[in-house]
Amino acid sequence: AQSVTQPDIHITVSEGASLELRCNYSYGATPYLFWYVQSPGQGLQLLLKYFSGDTLVQGIKGFEAEFKRSQSSFNLRKPSVHWSDAAEYFCAVEVRGSTLGRLYFGRGTQLTVWP
Amino acid sequence: DGGITQSPKYLFRKEGQNVTLSCEQNLNHDAMYWYRQDPGQGLRLIYYSQIVNDFQKGDIAEGYSVSREKKESFPLTVTSAQKNPTAFYLCASKPRAGGETQYFGPGTRLLVL
Repeated sequence: AQSVTQPDIHITVSEGASLELRCNYSYGATPYLFWYVQSPGQGLQLLLKYFSGDTLVQGIKGFEAEFKRSQSSFNLRKPSVHWSDAAEYFCAVEVRGSTLGRLYFGRGTQLTVWP
Repeated sequence: DGGITQSPKYLFRKEGQNVTLSCEQNLNHDAMYWYRQDPGQGLRLIYYSQIVNDFQKGDIAEGYSVSREKKESFPLTVTSAQKNPTAFYLCASKPRAGGETQYFGPGTRLLVL
């Protein structure tokens, strides 16, 4: 069965510190990979995605993510966190070659930023 | 401006009542999706539609119904059979079903009176 794991439910960092949010997936083949961010009471905004090619992908708001096939991981990173980055972050995957196009989501990681 | 709109932002349901959540997109997307979000559970798929007049059940379809009579509209009805409807509901769409980015609306919060 497909699964997406975000092992950290809640992370707290100080403003200016670096950040890494973990995401692991369980599938037979490399899926399409996504990171979304959600502010309270809002919809989801796409941060970045990996379909193919360079395994280090750049996204909006200074975020990047690295796909590691050997570890079935797609971790999200930011070198210096800003207070406005406080939000909930979701990793999602889509099965490559699927005609359905549905996403499977992790349970999310809540990020708190201390001033 | 192209995008996905959901209305209302807040919706209150009385016991035994059916309520309908609206989702409209002007992005000319073929595929549309409904997700339910509960705290700590991520997003779970309720229904999805790849084209007009066609839709499929997702993982938690019981107590919900949908229609797709127009390309731009995908309303979700929460029926009285859904015993625990309090949640945040998100609509999404993408150009076609496979291998494209999914875009989300702002959501509707459903509360039970």
